[in-house]
Amino acid sequence: GENVEQHPSTLSVQEGDSAVIKCTYSDSASNYFPWYKQELGKRPQLIIDIRSNVGEKKDQRIAVTLNKTAKHFSLHITETQPEDSAVYFCARGSASKIIFGSGTRLSIRP
Amino acid sequence: DTEVTQTPKHLVMGMTNKKSLKCEQHMGHRAMYWYKQKAKKPPELMFVYSYEKLSINESVPSRFSPECPNSSLLNLHLHALQPEDSALYLCASSQSDSLSNQPQHFGDGTRLSIL
Repeated sequence: GENVEQHPSTLSVQEGDSAVIKCTYSDSASNYFPWYKQELGKRPQLIIDIRSNVGEKKDQRIAVTLNKTAKHFSLHITETQPEDSAVYFCARGSASKIIFGSGTRLSIRP
Repeated sequence: DTEVTQTPKHLVMGMTNKKSLKCEQHMGHRAMYWYKQKAKKPPELMFVYSYEKLSINESVPSRFSPECPNSSLLNLHLHALQPEDSALYLCASSQSDSLSNQPQHFGDGTRLSIL
């Protein structure tokens, strides 16, 4: 179908630990997978994206992995900090639009 | 810094009012979008404009009327809205080489409340 399944819906991790958010999709035609971070009361901001011709991309503490065969992709945040607390949305490109997952509320415990 | 600018930031209107939301970008992007976002939900696509032409209307009720006067501006005209239309309305833009594989840049949104 068109949806992107995102898990977990909420995630609480100790500061300094890693956080992993996973998404699955079913449309094999998708070739673009962005991740957005939305802090409370603010706009969604692109934090990292990956295209289907690569399996992994890293930017400092953030990495995304893509398994096109299995149709899933994941966001990895290492050495989490308080400012990482936000809602994270995965998404996929499909037929001239972006389809968002349902979101993961990440909380970083001090 | 926000490269996509939306006005107003907040809007309260009655169900019989007519108002407009405005969005502006100067990144040379040729695709612009309107999204509706309810609390604790992802953005929900409403309209897509590509090269100033409406390319996608996600079956949005006619009380929402989009307009793209030029490549930098996008408006959303509101009339006879319902209380359930209260939400955050987000504008976004992207390069239009291929709408489905370009990053979208969002504005800060207009928080709309319908009395």
